[in-house]
Amino acid sequence: GDSVTQTEGLVTLTEGLPVMLNCTYQSTYSPFLFWYVQHLNEAPKLLLKSFTDNKRPEHQGFHATLHKSSSSFHLQKSSAQLSDSALYYCALRASNTNKVVFGTGTRLQVLP
Amino acid sequence: DAGVTQTPRHEVAEKGQTIILKCEPVSGHNDLFWYRQTKIQGLELLSYFRSKSLMEDGGAFKDRFKAEMLNSSFSTLKIQPTEPKDSAVYLCASSPGGWNYAEQFFGPGTRLTVL
Repeated sequence: GDSVTQTEGLVTLTEGLPVMLNCTYQSTYSPFLFWYVQHLNEAPKLLLKSFTDNKRPEHQGFHATLHKSSSSFHLQKSSAQLSDSALYYCALRASNTNKVVFGTGTRLQVLP
Repeated sequence: DAGVTQTPRHEVAEKGQTIILKCEPVSGHNDLFWYRQTKIQGLELLSYFRSKSLMEDGGAFKDRFKAEMLNSSFSTLKIQPTEPKDSAVYLCASSPGGWNYAEQFFGPGTRLTVL
């Protein structure tokens, strides 16, 4: 079945340093990949999603590249901000369904 | 446009009680999802409806969890009987559906505490 793996439960770093949150996946069908972000006491919301034409999605300074060869969709940002502190979920939707499978989430904590 | 609404926002139940959580999706959305959110498991799918038809009922959650979609603008999740391990945040999400990377729009969630 489809699955998403986020190996880091908590990532702590200092403001201004680069961010990379790992995401790998398994899927029988060519999936669409997503990153959702959930700030404290808020609902999860879409941060960015993959494209089929290998364009690199970007939003709020974050970007992610879908690498089919390594089944990865890591989230990156060049310089962390305090406001980036949140819970980040990687998710996939297989091409034959509207169901979305979420990873267990990575909490990003940015310190001053 | 109104987003996804969920009621109640907080629920406290005694072990063995029956509780019903409610969700109103974004108007016009065809897909509706119920998730359980915990720190350890993250977001776990409980039920998935497409145009009011149940597409998936979450496997391991089938025995005490039942979701229904009475019409295109209202869904309920019943937990019967509740157990302390059910304490979690329950999120409802809706999506336009279709094959165009449709994003999911989440409600604020219901925080359930079972004593």
